Amino acid sequence: DAGVTQSPTHLIKTRGQHVTLRCSPISGHKSVSWYQQVLGQGPQFIFQYYEKEERGRGNFPDRFSARQFPNYSSELNVNALLLGDSALYLCASSLLWTGDQPQHFGDGTRLSIL
Amino acid sequence: DAKTTQPPSMDCAEGRAANLPCNHSTISGNEYVYWYRQIHSQGPQYIIHGLKNNETNEMASLIITEDRKSSTLILPHATLRDTAVYYCIAANAGGTSYGKLTFGQGTILTVHP
Repeated sequence: DAGVTQSPTHLIKTRGQHVTLRCSPISGHKSVSWYQQVLGQGPQFIFQYYEKEERGRGNFPDRFSARQFPNYSSELNVNALLLGDSALYLCASSLLWTGDQPQHFGDGTRLSIL
Repeated sequence: DAKTTQPPSMDCAEGRAANLPCNHSTISGNEYVYWYRQIHSQGPQYIIHGLKNNETNEMASLIITEDRKSSTLILPHATLRDTAVYYCIAANAGGTSYGKLTFGQGTILTVHP
C-alpha cells in the first residue's frame, strides 16, 4: 500500500515568493497534518485538517495557509517567503483527527529559500 | 500537552536490546504516549503508542509505569538500521489540541557493530 506522498521533494525559492506544497494521504485516511522541521530540531505542528475543515493550528504567521480537498489530499501555501522558512515540510495522515490515532508521515518537501 | 524528557543520546550494541526511557510526569489521563523515530532526511516513522497498558508490535514494546509518569521503548534486538532519533510524545486525545504531536529533541540512538 502506498504511504503518504508529498510533492515536490525539493524546491528552491527566493525571498518574497510564494510556494505550494502538496500531500496525498494514505488511502482511507481522512485527516492530514502539516509540520515544519528546521535543521537540528524536531518537527513543529502547523495545521491539521479533517473532512476539509481546519481542526488545529500551530503558532505560525498568517503567511501560512492550507486546505484539504474532497479526495482528502491537501496543500500547504506559504506567502512572502523569508529565509527562516527554509525547512523540511512534513505531511502526516491519520484515520481520524483524534489523538488516539497514529499519524503516518511522508518524507517531506525540502524547501530552500535564497 | 504534557512535556516529555528524554536523554539526548544512547548507545547500544548490535543484537542487544535497546531500552529508551521517557519521563512524562505531568501527563493527563487522556494523553497517549507515542514513539516515533526519524532516520536522517526521512520523515518520522510511527513505532508504537499506548494509554495505560503495555503494548507490543512487530517493531517494539512499550512499557508504561502504573502511575503513567514514565515509559520505556524496547527494541528487542537492535540492528544498525535502528540508528535514528527517537521521539517520545504525549498526545492529547481530547480538548483543543486534538491530534497535535509536540516533538522535543528526542534521543539519538546509535547502534554499534
